[in-house]
Amino acid sequence: DGGITQSPKYLFRKEGQNVTLSCEQNLNHDAMYWYRQDPGQGLRLIYYSQIVNDFQKGDIAEGYSVSREKKESFPLTVTSAQKNPTAFYLCASSRGQADNQPQHFGDGTRLSIL
Amino acid sequence: GNSVTQMEGPVTLSEEAFLTINCTYTATGYPSLFWYVQYPGEGLQLLLKATKADDKGSNKGFEATYRKETTSFHLEKGSVQVSDSAVYFCALRYAQGAQKLVFGQGTRLTINP
Repeated sequence: DGGITQSPKYLFRKEGQNVTLSCEQNLNHDAMYWYRQDPGQGLRLIYYSQIVNDFQKGDIAEGYSVSREKKESFPLTVTSAQKNPTAFYLCASSRGQADNQPQHFGDGTRLSIL
Repeated sequence: GNSVTQMEGPVTLSEEAFLTINCTYTATGYPSLFWYVQYPGEGLQLLLKATKADDKGSNKGFEATYRKETTSFHLEKGSVQVSDSAVYFCALRYAQGAQKLVFGQGTRLTINP
């Protein structure tokens, strides 16, 4: 079945360490997104990519980096510059920019600091 | 700017009760509106959507009507079940060159048997 796969489900980071969260989709979607979810809050957009080899900052991009070398993959790196990385990270994708195309979400990665 | 405001939770109801979760928005232009549901430990699933004024989205017994005059998109269900217990997010999408979603803070719903 088509869908979005995020891995790992749980991830632990030591202070000063970079970690990379994986997101893969087999839906043939052009656009992909990364969101951060904190307890009791809505989702906030970190980065998004409308097409391969292109991406833009969202509302809270500081301390994060992404790449989009393949259509199906959009990994997120949480760098040591992100001072409060503990959160639930959600990846999403959508077919394109048409207004009636919804975003589909993966099951998320929960990142914690050791 | 664009924003979404949901009624604060948590909301606790008995099985078969009537549900309303309020959602109002602020946006320029004519956004599309969505309700997403998140079950424990999972990502978000699209529940329903509406893309223009007076559209009614519906799915699994849930309904929401896009009301431009009151800038609202309230979620309703006539008879809730224990399996409806989850967090519900209202969101809008403004199509200005990219599909950027703006989410409300979420409303946790618990249904007791």
